[in-house]
Amino acid sequence: RKEVEQDPGPFNVPEGATVAFNCTYSNSASQSFFWYRQDCRKEPKLLMSVYSSGNEDGRFTAQLNRASQYISLLIRDSKLSDSATYLCAALSIYNFNKFYFGSGTKLNVKP
Amino acid sequence: GAVVSQHPSRVICKSGTSVKIECRSLDFQATTMFWYRQFPKKSLMLMATSNEGSKATYEQGVEKDKFLINHASLTLSTLTVTSAHPEDSSFYICSARDPRGGGMQSPLHFGNGTRLTVT
Repeated sequence: RKEVEQDPGPFNVPEGATVAFNCTYSNSASQSFFWYRQDCRKEPKLLMSVYSSGNEDGRFTAQLNRASQYISLLIRDSKLSDSATYLCAALSIYNFNKFYFGSGTKLNVKP
Repeated sequence: GAVVSQHPSRVICKSGTSVKIECRSLDFQATTMFWYRQFPKKSLMLMATSNEGSKATYEQGVEKDKFLINHASLTLSTLTVTSAHPEDSSFYICSARDPRGGGMQSPLHFGNGTRLTVT
């Protein structure tokens, strides 16, 4: 079983829509979580960290559900420029430096 | 914010040659850097952890003699793909964590990646 799993999508949504992605992790010892955005043929860029209490950054909201071992990313009022692949990452408390990445969820925002 | 720079961004080489990729942390010191590989439409795969002043730690299935890693200073790690073959063609990305960035909450920052094509 993979450490971190995501629905590959693609999610095809119209501009202005709200879209949510989930990401499940298998290791309950995972301590820190992050969402990254990766554009085609580019490196991943940090979108936001995910805190236990949930956090919001503009149109983006990230939440952590430890009981069910998943994190979520909600994008409101989708823009064309949000089209990308979204990767989630988990960091184990037992290996401070080892990040596990999901395979990414592709989002296509259409006019 | 933390910046990681990688060079070259693109390289095309012939089978049997070696290619060196450099990764630099520009505004922080990184005792540890990470090398990932990504095939098209696939997940990031951690290849190895580069440790300043000591040997790199390789993930299972990654040949250490083929992918030579040197971390000679606190701001520079290099990955050399030796005797490259077409199946080594991939997107190689380095990353590091900014030690100033909050312990366990400190994210990975990625270099801009190197697209290697072996003909």
